[in-house]
Amino acid sequence: GQQVMQIPQYQHVQEGEDFTTYCNSSTTLSNIQWYKQRPGGHPVFLIQLVKSGEVKKQKRLTFQFGEAKKNSSLHITATQTTDVGTYFCAGQGDSSYKLIFGSGTRLLVRP
Amino acid sequence: SQTIHQWPATLVQPVGSPLSLECTVEGTSNPNLYWYRQAAGRGLQLLFYSVGIGQISSEVPQNLSASRPQDRQFILSSKKLLLSDSGFYLCAWSVLYYGYTFGSGTRLTVV
Repeated sequence: GQQVMQIPQYQHVQEGEDFTTYCNSSTTLSNIQWYKQRPGGHPVFLIQLVKSGEVKKQKRLTFQFGEAKKNSSLHITATQTTDVGTYFCAGQGDSSYKLIFGSGTRLLVRP
Repeated sequence: SQTIHQWPATLVQPVGSPLSLECTVEGTSNPNLYWYRQAAGRGLQLLFYSVGIGQISSEVPQNLSASRPQDRQFILSSKKLLLSDSGFYLCAWSVLYYGYTFGSGTRLTVV
């Protein structure tokens, strides 16, 4: 079945440093989505990427979808303490309502 | 606007007891509904999804079941809980091929 792998598992950065998390799918995706889960909270939808090679930005966050639609990345520029949480990618296949989540990257930011 | 309600927020149940978790969605019709489980510090595992009343797809064989008695109501049940059923249970809804909205979750501890 479809699998979505995400690295790294943890990242501990100094406030102001950049952060990147990477996501790879075993199959081609129709779209990839990113979610943020604050400690003790529930996942919150950030963005969806649909097109091959697509790049989207939300303030300091940059999301990319690979040309083959099997990989994606999230880059945060100049992290802040408010960025703390776990970032999940989630992939959806062409003929499926199901969203398969990666294992997540937990971001810790030292003030 | 659409809202999703999930309750209870926390639950402590003895091994062998039954379980019923309820999720309701407001402000949308015929949503896709999902139950996910998250173990502590881990990713999200899809348990069940439903694309319509009475239509349930199971992803993981286990002693849990789901039902959708009404368009915007999704129920997760068990006849006899196991210790391994402990976790953070999340209900979510979506429209076709777009981002999921998660409920606030139920933290279940089986003792």
